[in-house]
Amino acid sequence: AQSVTQLGSHVSVSEGALVLLRCNYSSSVPPYLFWYVQYPNQGLQLLLKYTSAATLVKGINGFEAEFKKSETSFHLTKPSAHMSDAAEYFCAVSKSYNTDKLIFGTGTRLQVFP
Amino acid sequence: EPEVTQTPSHQVTQMGQEVILRCVPISNHLYFYWYRQILGQKVEFLVSFYNNEISEKSEIFDDQFSVERPDGSNFTLKIRSTKLEDSAMYFCASVGGAPQETQYFGPGTRLLVL
Repeated sequence: AQSVTQLGSHVSVSEGALVLLRCNYSSSVPPYLFWYVQYPNQGLQLLLKYTSAATLVKGINGFEAEFKKSETSFHLTKPSAHMSDAAEYFCAVSKSYNTDKLIFGTGTRLQVFP
Repeated sequence: EPEVTQTPSHQVTQMGQEVILRCVPISNHLYFYWYRQILGQKVEFLVSFYNNEISEKSEIFDDQFSVERPDGSNFTLKIRSTKLEDSAMYFCASVGGAPQETQYFGPGTRLLVL
């Protein structure tokens, strides 16, 4: 069985500060890991994905995530937060990178203060 | 950029009524999904659909739910007799199946059962 746990339902940072959103996974098979972002009244948009090609994954909007097997983690970071980063962020795991179902975490709402 | 669309954006219904949620996946995609998100909870997989049949369904997807691809473009989710606990945001997703692709999500339909 697969699952993900996102620590912290709300994270607040100042504009320009480091963003760190935590995700830990559990998987009995090699996992494919994803981060999605949801802006208000919009659907889920893929930020980045881990598919075993490289442990450090770069995504859109300056976000990146590092796969750490020893820690079963896939934390999302961004060096400098921007006001436009305020959104809900979801970590997800799957058995493949495209056709298998996605199993989501509970989400982390990021607030960015000026 | 192609996108997944969903209608209606909001629907209010009475308990026991039937509802049909509609989705138009990206035109050359082959795999289709429904997910739901009860307010304040995680996004949950409901069902996946490929080659005109259900390929996987969750335990949530009981006999009250059905999916259909009636005309080669629309992908619908029907709830035969809605319950209060069916109130949620319902997301449709699709993917083409090529190795570099991931699931594209629609903006969701917010269903409220009274």
